[in-house]
Formats: sequence, C-alpha cells, structure tokens
Amino acid sequence: GAVVSQHPSWVICKSGTSVKIECRSLDFQATTMFWYRQFPKQSLMLMATSNEGSKATYEQGVEKDKFLINHASLTLSTLTVTSAHPEDSSFYICSAREDRGLGQPQHFGDGTRLSIL
Amino acid sequence: AQKVTQAQTEISVVEKEDVTLDCVYETRDTTYYLFWYKQPPSGELVFLIRRNSFDEQNEISGRYSWNFQKSTSSFNFTITASQVVDSAVYFCALSDYYGGATNKLIFGTGTLLAVQP
Repeated sequence: GAVVSQHPSWVICKSGTSVKIECRSLDFQATTMFWYRQFPKQSLMLMATSNEGSKATYEQGVEKDKFLINHASLTLSTLTVTSAHPEDSSFYICSAREDRGLGQPQHFGDGTRLSIL
Repeated sequence: AQKVTQAQTEISVVEKEDVTLDCVYETRDTTYYLFWYKQPPSGELVFLIRRNSFDEQNEISGRYSWNFQKSTSSFNFTITASQVVDSAVYFCALSDYYGGATNKLIFGTGTLLAVQP
C-alpha cells in the first residue's frame, strides 16, 4: 500500500518550454502533497506544500510564477515548470501524506529528472 | 528552529560488516516525529521507520535497528551484516507532531553508504 506515482520519470526539452509533472497517490487519499527539488549529491529541498482545494504554500525563495502547483483532487497534484531554463534542470520529487491522522509518513514518488537544453 | 544533522557524509564498509548511521536533531518542540528514508541509486525515497518522541524503545526490523535517545537528541540507525543492496543514501528527517499547517519534513544532508562485496 501507500504508493505514489510520479510521471514522467525523465524529461529533456528545449529552453523556454513549460513542463508539467504529475504526482498521484494510487491507493490512499492525500489532502497534502509536497514538492521537493534535489541537486546531485545533496539533500531534498522543499519547494512547496500542495493543499487540495486551496493555494499551495511556497517556501522562501521559490518563485510561485515559475513553479505552478495545482492540487485539484485528493489523489493528484501537478507541478508545472513554466518557461524552463537550464538552471531549472534538477531532480524533482513529490510526496504525499496519508489522511489518517497525526504523524503519517510521507510516501515519495520515483522522481522526475528534468534536463533543459 | 528545527535542524537535522548527519555528520557522516560517506561511509564505506565491506559486506557483512555492521554499520551505524548517526542522526542528531534539534527542535524546541516537546513532541515530534523522526523518520529514516533510504534513497537507492535509482532515486526513489523509501520509507524505513517513523518514531514519535514519546516512544524511546529501540526497534529492530530484520537487519535494521534504530536507537532513539531523547537525552542526546539522537536517532541512530544500524544495519547488521550489511549487504551490497544496502548501498544507498540514507536520510534522517524530523517533523512536528501536531501537524501545524503541514507536518513538513526537515531532512538531514544524508549519508551515502557504500557496501563493497
């Protein structure tokens, strides 16, 4: 149980393209999902918290207009990197927390490797 | 402020050796959760354990064991008789207990464990 599916797993595209990444909780409901960015050999950096039915909460320094988050249902959150540039190349990981009370662990997707040429 | 420190950046052991990964945390909360996650080379994060601050009992799961000591703010992870498949980056993480707005995870910088055959 507690499976999170993230798609696509790998994206290579030209500079200026917008890229959408999907995060789905397959067998549980998740009011809250999280989006992280990870640079090589570094820890995960929380970008934003996605809340179903309301606006996402962004961490300091993360551009809201650059990284658009939509959490339209209890099982799906999307991250759109708008007008991506080479500096946006990174490993993006989503996670979802089960709506089963306090302290539930976050379950992570397999990540999306984004390469902007 | 909350903080998680994993002082060991990289550890290399030979198969069948025991290895302990250290985790020290800082928080002003009296109640909180601690987690360990594994990130193999493929990139996905795998949840290993959750421990709440009320429970200082050590836990063992197969070759894995965890030593939680509130007095020293440590939550160390031991792998007994290590195997090559244990090679991965291991992250320790902390979250608040009552959820506040999000139950955000605060990650340590990770420890890269290389198990040599």
